[in-house]
Amino acid sequence: EPEVTQTPSHQVTQMGQEVILRCVPISNHLYFYWYRQILGQKVEFLVSFYNNEISEKSEIFDDQFSVERPDGSNFTLKIRSTKLEDSAMYFCASSEAVDRVEEQYFGPGTRLTVT
Amino acid sequence: AQTVTQSQPEMSVQEAETVTLSCTYDTSESNYYLFWYKQPPSRQMILVIRQEAYKQQNATENRFSVNFQKAAKSFSLKISDSQLGDTAMYFCAFMKTNFGNEKLTFGTGTRLTIIP
Repeated sequence: EPEVTQTPSHQVTQMGQEVILRCVPISNHLYFYWYRQILGQKVEFLVSFYNNEISEKSEIFDDQFSVERPDGSNFTLKIRSTKLEDSAMYFCASSEAVDRVEEQYFGPGTRLTVT
Repeated sequence: AQTVTQSQPEMSVQEAETVTLSCTYDTSESNYYLFWYKQPPSRQMILVIRQEAYKQQNATENRFSVNFQKAAKSFSLKISDSQLGDTAMYFCAFMKTNFGNEKLTFGTGTRLTIIP
């Protein structure tokens, strides 16, 4: 069964460094998302992406964040200058359709630790 | 803005028993969907069940069913004949539906442990 994959599973970085989290959505999906979950807190929406542009972003998704679909398979989240409070699990998700509600399929997450 | 509240951080139940997880939400939207997602340890979230707000009939998927009370803004998940594989975090989630797929708004989750 197709699934969303994410790499790396765990990333440790120093404050101020740039990180890129990678996701491979399910191949025929058109809508992509990033969510994050700070330890012990709820899963929060960051950004959605369709047709090579951002559809919606939350107030968390400030200028330090960017997303890109550099080729036909990868979907990346870049944090330009990481802060301690960026430490969290980051989940990528994808869904098939645009004009009707379809299940969002989630990846296993990348645990980002900023020291 | 929408909010989703799960008031039970942890629950445990004996194998084969029935357990109900609670979820309440707040919204001014008239069209929306509600979801329950399951996150087993160290694995990705998977959809358990979903409910369209305009449908009065409660959704059912095998051993999983919901009790959707629209007026009360309540959306509980019932797991019947619980199995060890049901041990996981369970997240209730809300999606408004204007043009199709939109963001999910999650609750804080309930950690469910099935005891052998």
